[in-house]
Amino acid sequence: GENVEQHPSTLSVQEGDSAVIKCTYSDSASNYFPWYKQELGKGPQLIIDIRSNVGEKKDQRIAVTLNKTAKHFSLHITETQPEDSAVYFCAASIKAAGNKLTFGGGTRVLVKP
Amino acid sequence: NAGVTQTPKFQVLKTGQSMTLQCAQDMNHNSMYWYRQDPGMGLRLIYYSASEGTTDKGEVPNGYNVSRLNKREFSLRLESAAPSQTSVYFCASSDLVSGLRTYEQYFGPGTRLTVT
Repeated sequence: GENVEQHPSTLSVQEGDSAVIKCTYSDSASNYFPWYKQELGKGPQLIIDIRSNVGEKKDQRIAVTLNKTAKHFSLHITETQPEDSAVYFCAASIKAAGNKLTFGGGTRVLVKP
Repeated sequence: NAGVTQTPKFQVLKTGQSMTLQCAQDMNHNSMYWYRQDPGMGLRLIYYSASEGTTDKGEVPNGYNVSRLNKREFSLRLESAAPSQTSVYFCASSDLVSGLRTYEQYFGPGTRLTVT
C-alpha cells in the first residue's frame, strides 16, 4: 500500500519567516495530495490540495508544489504568523480507489513572535 | 450546518468492555471514514464506507467493526477494548461535487478514548 513520509516532525520559525514541509509518497498511482492543519483539540481541516496534473498551486500565503517524477510534494507558508502554529499533515490518495487518504506523520509548527 | 459530529467526546473503558462511537454528517455526502490518530503516526484509516450499504477495511481494521446505518450515520464499534486501542478517533466524510470535483474530506472533532 501507499506510504507517506513527512519531514520535519517539528519546525520552529520566527514570525514573518517562511516554513517549508516536505513529503514523499511511494505509490505512483496516487493522484490527489491534500494538506491538513490541525489545531489543538480539533479535527484536521483542509488548507490546500493539489492534483497530479498540476505542478504548483497557491492560495494567499500558502503554496504547494508537486514533483511526480520524484514522488514528493511540499507545503510552503510565507510571512508566517502566530496563528499558523499548529500540526500540519500531508496525505496522498488514489481518487478512483475511494479517496482513502494515507497521512504523513505530521509536522508541529511553532511560530515565535 | 453542523458538518460532522461525533459522540462521545471523551470515554474511558476498562480492558474487555465494549462501546460504539457515533458519527453523523449533514452534508449529504456519500462516503464516510473512520481514522485513529496516535502520536507521531498521523491518522490511519480503520474502515470506510464509499456509499450507503457498503463498508471496507482500511489500514488498521483489527479489533473494530463498523455499521453504515444510513447515508448520514457511520458508527465504529469496539467489541472488546484493549489498551492498544487508546487513541483519538476521527470520523470524516467526503463526496465528489459535480462541477467542482472536490475530494475534500471533512473531519469531526474527534473522540478521545482511553482503555485501562
